[in-house]
Amino acid sequence: QVQLQESGPGLVKPSETLSLTCTVSGYSISSGYYWGWIRQTPGKGLEWIGSMYHSGSSYYNPTLKSRVSISVDTDKNQFSLKLKSVTAADTAVYFCARGNVVAKAYCDYWGPGTLVTVSS
Amino acid sequence: QSVLTQPPSVSAAPGQKVTISCSGSSSNIGNNYVSWFQQLPGTAPKLLIYDNGKRPSGIPDRFSDSKSGTSATLGITGLQTGDEADYYCGTWDSSLSAFVFGTGTKVTVL
Repeated sequence: QVQLQESGPGLVKPSETLSLTCTVSGYSISSGYYWGWIRQTPGKGLEWIGSMYHSGSSYYNPTLKSRVSISVDTDKNQFSLKLKSVTAADTAVYFCARGNVVAKAYCDYWGPGTLVTVSS
Repeated sequence: QSVLTQPPSVSAAPGQKVTISCSGSSSNIGNNYVSWFQQLPGTAPKLLIYDNGKRPSGIPDRFSDSKSGTSATLGITGLQTGDEADYYCGTWDSSLSAFVFGTGTKVTVL
């Protein structure tokens, strides 16, 4: 079965870059689908960060676009998130997910999530 | 600030039915597919419904959806205590070129 697992630092200092990796098992990233990131501020709703197709096409949340990049490593079957110049407002649980976000508007497999705290 | 609006909470007794609305616009719900997610406390969201009413394997037919114009609705029949969770709608917004989530609705089983 398809499984996703986030990994990365749980604590990031303000103004630095948040970096997370999602490792996919049970499905080859190069076979298709968009691979993306969603976050959830404690006690709040879901916010889509962005998604990338295995071939490189990508979409980002307009409110985060200037600070975000997503990359895919098909050899390692992983994809990554980088969020620059973080502030306390970026403290959240970050989920990685597989989806057909553009044509069919869904995310069908999710990682369990990882809490990232921005603090000095 | 989400472009999709949901009621903050709905509630009903076990065995009853609840409906959750998701209101958007022509740039999102009106011209794109809608999906629905269930998030139990402390867990990742789970896909409930997508692609005009399809349910992933393991999702019971107590969950159903409908769409009319720029609004979508999730229905849960035969409400169970295990259905207590937060529910989110999601869709593609063609104007933003972005996936958007609804504001979320907490379902309480009385």
